[in-house]
Amino acid sequence: QSALTQAASVSGSPGQSITISCTGTSSDVGGYNYVSWYQQHPGKAPKLLIYEVYNRPSGVPDRFSGSKSGNTASLTISGLQAEDEADYYCSSSTSGNTDVFGGGTKLTVL
Amino acid sequence: QVQLVESGGGVVQPGRSLRLSCAASGFTLSSYGMHWVRQAPGKGLEWVADIWADGIKIYYADSVEGRFTISRDKSKNTLSLQMNSLRAEDTAVYYCARDMSHYAFDYWGQGTLVTVSS
Repeated sequence: QSALTQAASVSGSPGQSITISCTGTSSDVGGYNYVSWYQQHPGKAPKLLIYEVYNRPSGVPDRFSGSKSGNTASLTISGLQAEDEADYYCSSSTSGNTDVFGGGTKLTVL
Repeated sequence: QVQLVESGGGVVQPGRSLRLSCAASGFTLSSYGMHWVRQAPGKGLEWVADIWADGIKIYYADSVEGRFTISRDKSKNTLSLQMNSLRAEDTAVYYCARDMSHYAFDYWGQGTLVTVSS
């Protein structure tokens, strides 16, 4: 149950696009299309942004999109806005019927 | 509307026990898989345990296996986490979360802080 690998930080200017990657193994990210992405603002509970690799729950703007290739999943945020500044976590189901999160990526909007 | 409210957190000495509860409203808890996720101060999210909708399949993270027990009470529409033999590294905010589909957590509680310290 090793954590998925995410970059510690990423930054971008308003209006730009950024991509956050999440690397796992064939036992989690690569083996299942059950990757989720969460946004967490300081002191708040996480919010689901993407599920099953690329699906958005109702109410999540289409600026947020997900994809996957092999053992790496990605979250792309286009048209960056100031309120997007937050921590972002990926997660994946695993072959052991458990879940595993990434270490988190802090997004700074310059 | 859907709401999850955790309770039961606090300060506890190493080796002692604590029981967390998560009260659900706006939906029937037993119709969904439910999870506990924790977050140590200043750290990332860590999945802890889940109970499937069938109430039979239960899984734990290696870090808590044998010490924590997840359960639910249909009559009270609540989820619980019994935590025994607590360690300093169990210090975290504990969230309960609803599984909408294959480990996608669409609703989260506000979290309850557990501090393990002598």
